[in-house]
Amino acid sequence: EPEVTQTPSHQVTQMGQEVILRCVPISNHLYFYWYRQILGQKVEFLVSFYNNEISEKSEIFDDQFSVERPDGSNFTLKIRSTKLEDSAMYFCASRDPGTARGYTFGSGTRLTVV
Amino acid sequence: KNEVEQSPQNLTAQEGEFITINCSYSVGISALHWLQQHPGGGIVSLFMLSSGKKKHGRLIATINIQEKHSSLHITASHPRDSAVYICEPGRTGNQFYFGTGTSLTVIP
Repeated sequence: EPEVTQTPSHQVTQMGQEVILRCVPISNHLYFYWYRQILGQKVEFLVSFYNNEISEKSEIFDDQFSVERPDGSNFTLKIRSTKLEDSAMYFCASRDPGTARGYTFGSGTRLTVV
Repeated sequence: KNEVEQSPQNLTAQEGEFITINCSYSVGISALHWLQQHPGGGIVSLFMLSSGKKKHGRLIATINIQEKHSSLHITASHPRDSAVYICEPGRTGNQFYFGTGTSLTVIP
């Protein structure tokens, strides 16, 4: 079964540094998403991406964040000037509107800001 | 104010029991998703539905659009069903809202 692949699985970074989280969505999916889950809290929506542009973004997704689909396969989330409170699990997902189940999630990247 | 309310928050069941998890939402939906988050953190999409009922194996999801309510049922529950079940009622404006999840433990 096709998978959404996220790398790295765990990233530790110094506060103030920039990080890039990478995702390879399922190739024939059209919609791509980033979510985050702070430890012990619920999943939060960050951004959705369709037709090579952002279609929706939450209040969390401020100027510190950006997304790109640089080469037609990778889908990246860049976090600039990381803060301690950015520590969370970041999930990428893709969706084919025609499927019964909806999203396919990656296994997540655990970001730890120290 | 929670846009998405799930109940119960925690549920412990004996193997074989019929389980129901409820989701009530105040936001509008495009399509409602039920997700399963495993103890290791991975998330699996179980259902996407915008009306009626869907069934997959031992799982059944129903939705009542007028009442803004959805239920997830698990028949003949098994310890491997132990997970957090999350309701997400789709896009409202530029936002997707998630429920806080129902933590299910099925005891052998």
